[in-house]
Amino acid sequence: DSGVTQTPKHLITATGQRVTLRCSPRSGDLSVYWYQQSLDQGLQFLIQYYNGEERAKGNILERFSAQQFPDLHSELNLSSLELGDSALYFCASSAGAGAGTGELFFGEGSRLTVL
Amino acid sequence: AQSVSQHNHHVILSEAASRELGCNYSYGGTVNLFWYVQYPGQHLQLLLKYFSGDPLVKGIKGFEAEFIKSKFSFNLRKPSVQWSDTAEYFCAVMVTDSWGKLQFGAGTQVVVTP
Repeated sequence: DSGVTQTPKHLITATGQRVTLRCSPRSGDLSVYWYQQSLDQGLQFLIQYYNGEERAKGNILERFSAQQFPDLHSELNLSSLELGDSALYFCASSAGAGAGTGELFFGEGSRLTVL
Repeated sequence: AQSVSQHNHHVILSEAASRELGCNYSYGGTVNLFWYVQYPGQHLQLLLKYFSGDPLVKGIKGFEAEFIKSKFSFNLRKPSVQWSDTAEYFCAVMVTDSWGKLQFGAGTQVVVTP
């Protein structure tokens, strides 16, 4: 158990819909990262938050957005869903950010299926 | 462009065999290097990491990796694999001025047969 909690574990929805994935980082970790894992793209970095502020952006679509709340949990919002958005979405957390960042701890992922 | 390359996408081994999984990166600055493992249906777990110091790093479950700066490589190996090592292995690079995000390679699927 990494200490990172993600909900829901599985989600099936239709094209055009909107979903929210939730992540609770390890106790004390200030950084939250979102990754997308798909068969054709592999593990892609989406976005990072540190203590409530966005710090880094990767290959995140405009239809996707995220935020980190004062209690440090994070939500990834996916809207106008397309078939190609079907993937495993991982959240990870770390104690810090930047040069002092240690390892990232990953949650078990949220598997999204868009039909 | 910055990238992480893993040379083998699929590897099939017999138990007790030894194999090196290759990883090369193309970042020019200072990096931290990681190997993560993903067992079937599970989340990513850290196998080992290199930040500085001895370039030969030992991790969990008998894995080790060697950082060769001149070759921009961080190859993973295990002297004798077990059936339980069947998993996908990911090399990852953290550029130290990148706010901590990891850039992953495509992964190597390893199947160990009894």
